[in-house]
Amino acid sequence: QPVLTQPPSASGTPGQTVTISCSGSGSNIGGNTVDWYQQVPGMAPKLLMYTNSQRPSGVPDRFSGSKSGTSASLAISGLQSEDEADYYCAAWDDSLHGPVFGGGTKLTVL
Amino acid sequence: QVQLQESGPGLVKPSETLTLTCTVSGASITDSYWSWFRQPPGKGLEWIGYTYYHGSTNKNPSLKSRVSISLDRSNNQVSLKMNSVTAADTAIYYCARQIRRYFDWWGQGALVTVSS
Repeated sequence: QPVLTQPPSASGTPGQTVTISCSGSGSNIGGNTVDWYQQVPGMAPKLLMYTNSQRPSGVPDRFSGSKSGTSASLAISGLQSEDEADYYCAAWDDSLHGPVFGGGTKLTVL
Repeated sequence: QVQLQESGPGLVKPSETLTLTCTVSGASITDSYWSWFRQPPGKGLEWIGYTYYHGSTNKNPSLKSRVSISLDRSNNQVSLKMNSVTAADTAIYYCARQIRRYFDWWGQGALVTVSS
């Protein structure tokens, strides 16, 4: 059972804005930063956002992240067909002394 | 650009030991932490453990007793061994470079099936 909670699915039409939520607890999101990974089916995960809201080089500014308390969210604006993928949130857990993940959100672009 | 490539047997018998190697190029394994993850078919990601050349290692408590992670400096490789495997260990296994507490480069993954 994933430690962080994400909605299993999300959808939107091209051009729309979609937000994916991620909920945790004080031992993970509450006390640490949140990262997001994008996984296209059949491919490896790719770092999409780190330290709550930092984008790695090459990630479009259509992607943005935020964190408040024990929750975080990833927003994708100007939705494009290539954004169709699974999105995972992750955070360090102070009890585990390692990262924990959400169950993933499958994003469909209608 | 950092590249990671997992390799190893794709089929392991129950009760035997799973061994995977991650070959790193574009970076030295002595400069970063290195982690292993797995993803059962159709499911989410699970962290297995990390290691650092200069001594720090940590493993997921749920797997700790069965897992070892080691570094081969001469070949710039990171290895994973998991003993006493069962069908529940069938998954795609990934290695990744760890920067602080996130993972910036991932291998393409290696599917390991546990079956007799």
